[in-house]
Amino acid sequence: QSVLTQPPSVSGAPGQRVTVSCSGSSSNIGAGYDVHWYQQLPGTAPKFLIYGNNNRPSGVPDRFSGSKSGTSASLAITGLQAEDEADYYCQSYDYSLSGWVFGGGTKLTVL
Amino acid sequence: EVQLVESGGGLVQPGGSLRLSCTASGFTFSNYPMHWVRQAPGKGLEYVSAISSTGGTTYYANSVKGRFTISRDNSKNTVFLQMGSLKTEDMAVYYCARGKPFDIWGQGTMVTVSS
Repeated sequence: QSVLTQPPSVSGAPGQRVTVSCSGSSSNIGAGYDVHWYQQLPGTAPKFLIYGNNNRPSGVPDRFSGSKSGTSASLAITGLQAEDEADYYCQSYDYSLSGWVFGGGTKLTVL
Repeated sequence: EVQLVESGGGLVQPGGSLRLSCTASGFTFSNYPMHWVRQAPGKGLEYVSAISSTGGTTYYANSVKGRFTISRDNSKNTVFLQMGSLKTEDMAVYYCARGKPFDIWGQGTMVTVSS
């Protein structure tokens, strides 16, 4: 059981908007720690996607955005493309564990 | 090019040991904390261990505490993960990653624990 909770799967048609939720607690997201997101394409290593809740590293399309409120965070992807089909992971810091924690991952299927 | 390359994975029997290496290039290695993250077959990411930029501070997940040791050699731009008393549940692809957040990842090295 992951410390951060994500839905196992989401799906959407090309061009649509989808969101991936990430639910934490008062010892991680709710304590004010930033949320980061990673994209893992099939058979590859994770890639840095969103940092500091809502910032995109250079090279990440502006179709990807993040938000955070209370003990939860969300990743939004607009204008879905076939190449967005991947697993998405949220990450934060947990002070009760004194370490980084990941969500269980969400598989995005582009219909 | 900024890059991390893991090595050292392979097949090991339960109870055995293995040392993973992650060699960095393209950036000032000694400026960054480094991490190990693993992914069991078909499963999600699990945070394993971390070491500060100087090597003075380390962190271990409860699942590996007392069995794994992280270290680094800043003169060789390399971080290590010494794994001992290996269990079948340690079988995974092991990734090293840079910084906080984890902005650069290696390609991973597979560790298989089986008799």
